[in-house]
Amino acid sequence: DIQMTQSPSSLPASLGERVTIICRASQGISNNLNWYQQKPDGTIKPLIYYTSNLQSGVPSSFSGSRSGTDYSLTISSLEPEDFAMYYCQQDASFPWTFGGGTKLELK
Amino acid sequence: QVTLKESGPGILQPSHTLSLTCSFSGFSLSTYGMGVSWIRQPSGKGLEWLASIWWNGNTYNNPSLKSRLTVSKDTSNNQAFLKVTSVDTADTATYYCAHTRLYNIGTTVYVMDAWGQGASVTVSS
Repeated sequence: DIQMTQSPSSLPASLGERVTIICRASQGISNNLNWYQQKPDGTIKPLIYYTSNLQSGVPSSFSGSRSGTDYSLTISSLEPEDFAMYYCQQDASFPWTFGGGTKLELK
Repeated sequence: QVTLKESGPGILQPSHTLSLTCSFSGFSLSTYGMGVSWIRQPSGKGLEWLASIWWNGNTYNNPSLKSRLTVSKDTSNNQAFLKVTSVDTADTATYYCAHTRLYNIGTTVYVMDAWGQGASVTVSS
């Protein structure tokens, strides 16, 4: 199975701040990397697919990119509703696997 | 608009079979490229993909659950199903179903682009 290592596990940040979450795969996944947001009530919202493609309705403050083996989710300016859990997930090969999650919390 | 909703027993005893239903609208599981995936999350822990079923009947299961998983669909009634046999306390989790699309863009891309609210399942004697 492909292991997804996500960092940091916790990210204190302030409103208006720019933040980046990193995901690294244990083997090549060829841009098959997706990002999700989970709110405390359990609701899961897809954000980005295939490294950098925004899902419909996702604000342009969210972006995804790749540098070598590192895949990044960046939020350019934090809004109150952005404080949540974030997960990456690879769909390059079965079984699909998720990163351990990043808790983005208000500093 | 795609919507999905999971339903299940809430609580069941160890060694029993867990049966979950995903009722959906806004797409058909007979349309090329459409699928439904199942994902679970133990309380306070991360997400685990369990299985996916596709428009053509093909299924993919997570081998970590060995042969305990069965996924199926009822295309006419817009439902997908997950069965987990021989449950134990480690199967206690919130179970989600998700609309999944297959894209061919020079490479194969799978996108889980809409999720249900989740169904809580507790395994306890």
